[in-house]
Amino acid sequence: AQSVTQPDIHITVSEGASLELRCNYSYGATPYLFWYVQSPGQGLQLLLKYFSGDTLVQGIKGFEAEFKRSQSSFNLRKPSVHWSDAAEYFCAGNTGKLIFGQGTTLQVKP
Amino acid sequence: NAGVMQNPRHLVRRRGQEARLRCSPMKGHSHVYWYRQLPEEGLKFMVYLQKENIIDESGMPKERFSAEFPKEGPSILRIQQVVRGDSAAYFCASSPWLVTSEFANEQFFGPGTRLTVL
Repeated sequence: AQSVTQPDIHITVSEGASLELRCNYSYGATPYLFWYVQSPGQGLQLLLKYFSGDTLVQGIKGFEAEFKRSQSSFNLRKPSVHWSDAAEYFCAGNTGKLIFGQGTTLQVKP
Repeated sequence: NAGVMQNPRHLVRRRGQEARLRCSPMKGHSHVYWYRQLPEEGLKFMVYLQKENIIDESGMPKERFSAEFPKEGPSILRIQQVVRGDSAAYFCASSPWLVTSEFANEQFFGPGTRLTVL
């Protein structure tokens, strides 16, 4: 069955530190992958998306993600985290409907 | 260009009442999706609609839940005889029709309706 897994439920990093959020997918065909961010009480905002081509995709707010077919991963990265990045992050794959991972809550320490 | 609109933003119902959640897609978008986010959980797909058609309702509970997207007006998610377990955030998303691949369509999300059942 198609699935998206985010192994880390909760991550805490210090402001200014680098960040990597993990996402693994299970698909039979070429996946269409997305990262969304959700602030408390808000809807989802798209950070970036991967359809094909270059395996490193750039998104908004300084985020990037790398698609690695051999590892079935699409990890989200940011070189230097800001306090305003504290939120919940969702990885999702599109099979005609979005299949979401469980989400990773990011806390940022001052 | 207004984004996806959902109303109400917050809805409180007593057990046994009906809940109606509305979603107006972005201008020019003909596809609407509904997702439910239970407390402490990720989003789960419920239903995918195009104008006057239900395309995929594989995520809809078998009873009490229904959805429509009429030719005119917003999409409606209707929950009859609500129970406490229906308390959740309900998100609507819309996407345009792209010729290349339906699966590549980006979905744009509304702010959600937070349903509380007392």
